[in-house]
Parts: sequence; structure tokens; C-alpha cells
Amino acid sequence: ETGVTQSPTHLIKTRGQQVTLRCSSQSGHNTVSWYQQALGQGPQFIFQYYREEENGRGNFPPRFSGLQFPNYSSELNVNALELDDSALYLCASSLDISSDTQYFGPGTRLTVL
Amino acid sequence: GENVEQHPSTLSVQEGDSAVIKCTYSDSASNYFPWYKQELGKGPQLIIDIRSNVGEKKDQRIAVTLNKTAKHFSLHITETQPEDSAVYFCAARRGGSQGNLIFGKGTKLSVKP
Repeated sequence: ETGVTQSPTHLIKTRGQQVTLRCSSQSGHNTVSWYQQALGQGPQFIFQYYREEENGRGNFPPRFSGLQFPNYSSELNVNALELDDSALYLCASSLDISSDTQYFGPGTRLTVL
Repeated sequence: GENVEQHPSTLSVQEGDSAVIKCTYSDSASNYFPWYKQELGKGPQLIIDIRSNVGEKKDQRIAVTLNKTAKHFSLHITETQPEDSAVYFCAARRGGSQGNLIFGKGTKLSVKP
């Protein structure tokens, strides 16, 4: 059974650019959540996807958007990057929308210059 | 909305001693409380969780206690080992809250040999 994987591992962008981060959920899991973790802080919920639909969103602006594909993998897109977007972006998968337990991937470290 | 406070922010213990990390939450509707361990450069790893219908749960050297009345929960690690050194996060989730785990700010645990 494969765990949650994310790509790329690291990414450097400049202010104003756009970025796409990718996540493959754990085998058999159909629900994916995305979190942003600033340095020295706990993860903050961005949004969750279930069966290709957004199913809940945290306090993040519309320039943070996502997609989920039929194979349950997911993308996080961030437009008009700002310096404060520099963080570790974490993807977590759950067996189903009703499952409490979330399993995290290793994250993508985004640096915005 | 939910707020999770975590203390202490740093904790240093001698190998073999016990370590206790405490969290309080504000939303009385929260019913799921996981603990994650995050090592440098890695994603959070679930180490133990507890639901609101249980007061205590134990898994080898790790235990979690929950006091619903006082709205606080604690992580207890006994017989600490150097490999327990990491950042530990508590989190809370409201039932049906669509994947929204609210995290504390983390505790950096150092176990000295």
C-alpha cells in the first residue's frame, strides 16, 4: 500500500507567478485535503476535495484553487503569488468523506522571492 | 470558530523520562483529537488519536487523555528515547466539518541521551 505522495519536493517562484502542486492520495482513499504550514506554525486548512468536488474551504482567498481527478489525485493552484505564500504545502488523504483520520504526504516547500 | 492552544512550545527531557504536552480547544462540538509527530523535512505522521466518547487511549509508550468538560487533552510519552525528538502537533475536528483539522502551534520535544 503506497502512502501519500507529493510533487515537486521544492519549488522557487517569484512574486506574481502561478504555481501548481500535485498530490497522489493513499491507495483506496477518495478524499484529499490541502494545508499550508508556515515556518514554526501548525498546518492551516485550505480546502478539501471529495469525488472531484470542493467540499469545504478554510480562510484562503480565491487565488488558491484546486482540482481532484477521477483517480482521486489532486492539484493545488496558487495564482498571483505573494511573499507570504512561502510555506510547506501539505496534502492529506482520508479513506472517505466520513473518515476522521487523515494521512499526510511529505509536503512541497514553496519559496516565493 | 475552533481555536486550539498547545503548551509548552519547547520541552527538553532526559532519555528515559516522561514528556507531557497539553492542548485546550474552544469548540465544544469538536469530537476528534489526533496527535501528529513531524520530523525535520517531513510531513506530519499520525501517532495516536482519540474520539470524544473515550477518556483515555494508550499505544505502547504513548497515551492520550481527554477531559471533555474542561475541553483539554494531553499527550503522554513514557520512557522517552532520542528518536522521539521532533515537533508534536495536537489538532481538533468538529464532527461533519468537512476535513477541517485545527492544529495547535506545536511543541518541539528534545530528548537528551
